[in-house]
Amino acid sequence: AQSVTQLDSHVSVSEGTPVLLRCNYSSSYSPSLFWYVQHPNKGLQLLLKYTSAATLVKGINGFEAEFKKSETSFHLTKPSAHMSDAAEYFCVVSASASGGSYIPTFGRGTSLIVHP
Amino acid sequence: ETGVTQSPTHLIKTRGQQVTLRCSSQSGHNTVSWYQQALGQGPQFIFQYYREEENGRGNFPPRFSGLQFPNYSSELNVNALELDDSALYLCASSLYQVAGNTIYFGEGSWLTVV
Repeated sequence: AQSVTQLDSHVSVSEGTPVLLRCNYSSSYSPSLFWYVQHPNKGLQLLLKYTSAATLVKGINGFEAEFKKSETSFHLTKPSAHMSDAAEYFCVVSASASGGSYIPTFGRGTSLIVHP
Repeated sequence: ETGVTQSPTHLIKTRGQQVTLRCSSQSGHNTVSWYQQALGQGPQFIFQYYREEENGRGNFPPRFSGLQFPNYSSELNVNALELDDSALYLCASSLYQVAGNTIYFGEGSWLTVV
């Protein structure tokens, strides 16, 4: 069984300030973890993923995330927010299920609001 | 651009009708998954197809069904539409049984049931 909890439904920051979006996961197997971003009326775009290599993962648009097994966390950060970062962000966990398939579980999403 | 294309982009149906949504997967990907995303919610897994067979299913009733074709494209069929079926339907393609496989999403099909 696997699950993911995004700890904040909304995060509000000012442009130029750091961003922190929090995600905790639960998995019976070694998980792969992803962050996706969804801009209004758009599909989902992969920001970054962790697959058991380096625990600090760098993604697109200056985002990065750190896998912490002891804390079962995979928080997303960015040093300086930009207005174009305003979107919905989803944390996703995917681990091997029966038969070897990898079926991902999505968090409920965090809405990032960026103020000028 | 992920290479996953969906059609139609928007459609309106009446309660009780049937709908078919279509998806072309990214080149080289042999697995297609479908998700339902209600307004303000995260995507919910409907089912996954691999080698033309259903390979996993979420908590959706049998009136949600699908097909995968030899070229890995896929259809999602929903019968006896209900108002609560109004949502964004997302198709995603990936490589099966590859650890950490990235799932690539299409732009989605917006379904409104009236």
